[in-house]
Amino acid sequence: TQLLEQSPQFLSIQEGENLTVYCNSSSVFSSLQWYRQEPGEGPVLLVTVVTGGEVKKLKRLTFQFGDARKDSSLHITAAQPGDTGLYLCAGELDSSYKLIFGSGTRLLVRP
Amino acid sequence: DTGVSQDPRHKITKRGQNVTFRCDPISEHNRLYWYRQTLGQGPEFLTYFQNEAQLEKSRLLSDRFSAERPKGSFSTLEIQRTEQGDSAMYLCASSSDQAQYFGPGTRLTVL
Repeated sequence: TQLLEQSPQFLSIQEGENLTVYCNSSSVFSSLQWYRQEPGEGPVLLVTVVTGGEVKKLKRLTFQFGDARKDSSLHITAAQPGDTGLYLCAGELDSSYKLIFGSGTRLLVRP
Repeated sequence: DTGVSQDPRHKITKRGQNVTFRCDPISEHNRLYWYRQTLGQGPEFLTYFQNEAQLEKSRLLSDRFSAERPKGSFSTLEIQRTEQGDSAMYLCASSSDQAQYFGPGTRLTVL
């Protein structure tokens, strides 16, 4: 049973388009993190959200944590080929410090 | 570079051999984590340390796996009597709060 469901699994879009990636769970998380991972490398932290309803912006990326702290979304505006990669969400349960990862969304932005 | 480092980056071994991986965390971080990632999946938690104390171990960590952090700085992960199912990317992360920063990983291939 996947504790964190990410959707879509794959996304192929044209440069300049907008997209949203979703991360959903029935569990409440004390914090949630988004990472981007390139092939053969470790995940790179994009953002950490801890408060229900929190919205954080990182240039063209907007992250939202659900009010009930069970879900999150990542929105990319005007996607660029450099945004191509695997996007992973990861939640921390019960302030346990260990992260539960989703299976990822593989994004391809075509020039 | 003051990020998390891992050594080696790649390891090919024959079934039945022992292997050891090293992780050097970000220097001021007191928590250190080990995760395993197989192809097409998000990372899975294995174990974590707070300073030199190993505080939690996943059921994924069979008795062939052992991790240490003797002085509360670097950590080692040893796998004894490797099996083909151990082939994966082994990731180390460190943190001082909720945000976990990952190293580049060690790719293990068991022949």
